[in-house]
Amino acid sequence: KAGVTQTPRYLIKTRGQQVTLSCSPISGHRSVSWYQQTPGQGLQFLFEYFSETQRNKGNFPGRFSGRQFSNSRSEMNVSTLELGDSALYLCASSFGTVKETQYFGPGTRLLVL
Amino acid sequence: GENVEQHPSTLSVQEGDSAVIKCTYSDSASNYFPWYKQELGKRPQLIIDIRSNVGEKKDQRIAVTLNKTAKHFSLHITETQPEDSAVYFCAAKYPGTYKYIFGTGTRLKVLA
Repeated sequence: KAGVTQTPRYLIKTRGQQVTLSCSPISGHRSVSWYQQTPGQGLQFLFEYFSETQRNKGNFPGRFSGRQFSNSRSEMNVSTLELGDSALYLCASSFGTVKETQYFGPGTRLLVL
Repeated sequence: GENVEQHPSTLSVQEGDSAVIKCTYSDSASNYFPWYKQELGKRPQLIIDIRSNVGEKKDQRIAVTLNKTAKHFSLHITETQPEDSAVYFCAAKYPGTYKYIFGTGTRLKVLA
């Protein structure tokens, strides 16, 4: 089975721009979660989608949004980028039911200049 | 509030020794606790997990213990090897949701 994939792997943007990141889950997984990873802060939960619906949301500003498509692929959008948004963005997929194990993608490294 | 504290932040051990990483969670209703290993430049990989109805789980050199009363759980690695060097993250699943709260990570160095 193919693992979780994320595109692009690297991005450089400037302040004020917006960015869209993509995540393709493991086949059969219907839940996709997004995390922001920064040095010293660990993994911060952004949101989780299941069957095209956002089920859970972390404590991030409204500039961070996401969506999920009918094939379970998910996108995350960050508008009006700030320097502090520079981070590794990881997505993780799972069945989203009693089988809770999450599998992570390789991440997208975003640098905001 | 939602919080998982993880200690220590860095840990150096000699090859062959044991390593122990401890996490404390805030919500007593949390019921699922995975541990992830992240090597430099790679994605986090699940190494072991435990559910709240179990006190201990082992997988070869790795074990996790859970103390629900004290709200803490620990990762134990025995007979450490250089390839165990990585950052380890604990997490707790927020009850009634699919939201995971992660600890801030422990950088483990196994010295040959």
